[in-house]
Amino acid sequence: EDQVTQSPEALRLQEGESSSLNCSYTVSGLRGLFWYRQDPGKGPEFLFTLYSAGEEKEKERLKATLTKKESFLHITAPKPEDSATYLCAVQARGATNKLIFGTGTLLAVQP
Amino acid sequence: DGGITQSPKYLFRKEGQNVTLSCEQNLNHDAMYWYRQDPGQGLRLIYYSQIVNDFQKGDIAEGYSVSREKKESFPLTVTSAQKNPTAFYLCASSETGNRYEQYFGPGTRLTVT
Repeated sequence: EDQVTQSPEALRLQEGESSSLNCSYTVSGLRGLFWYRQDPGKGPEFLFTLYSAGEEKEKERLKATLTKKESFLHITAPKPEDSATYLCAVQARGATNKLIFGTGTLLAVQP
Repeated sequence: DGGITQSPKYLFRKEGQNVTLSCEQNLNHDAMYWYRQDPGQGLRLIYYSQIVNDFQKGDIAEGYSVSREKKESFPLTVTSAQKNPTAFYLCASSETGNRYEQYFGPGTRLTVT
């Protein structure tokens, strides 16, 4: 069964304290892995798509990487405005655009 | 601005009533989706549509219905048969083909008492 597991469930950082969020997946052939940011009471905001192992994408303080079993979202020198829930999702080959979501990591960055 | 709109933002209904949630997009996307989000759970797919006048059940379609009469619109009806309708409902859209990222609307929070 295709599955996505995110860890940790919650993470509290001091402003400027870099860290990483993990997304482990088991899927019958990966078509794409997606990272989203979700603020409370709002819809998820698309961040990155990764398609193959070794691929990396960056946006401001965020960098996403992908291996054959997991993806990491690295946050460098975070600011309080980076506080949000970060969601990971995968699409399997032949899944007709269906995404399987993890439960997310709630990140809190304290000033 | 291109995007997805959902209305209303908050919706309250009595048990036993059907309710329809609106979703409109002006991104010219062919595919549209409805998800449900509950605390502590990942987003779960209710229905999706890849083309006008066609749609497929997702993982939790029981108690829900949809229509896709126009490319821009994909309304979701929560029927009285849905046992636990109180949730945060998210609509999304995407291109079909080689780019699969889905873009989400702001969501509708439905409370049924």
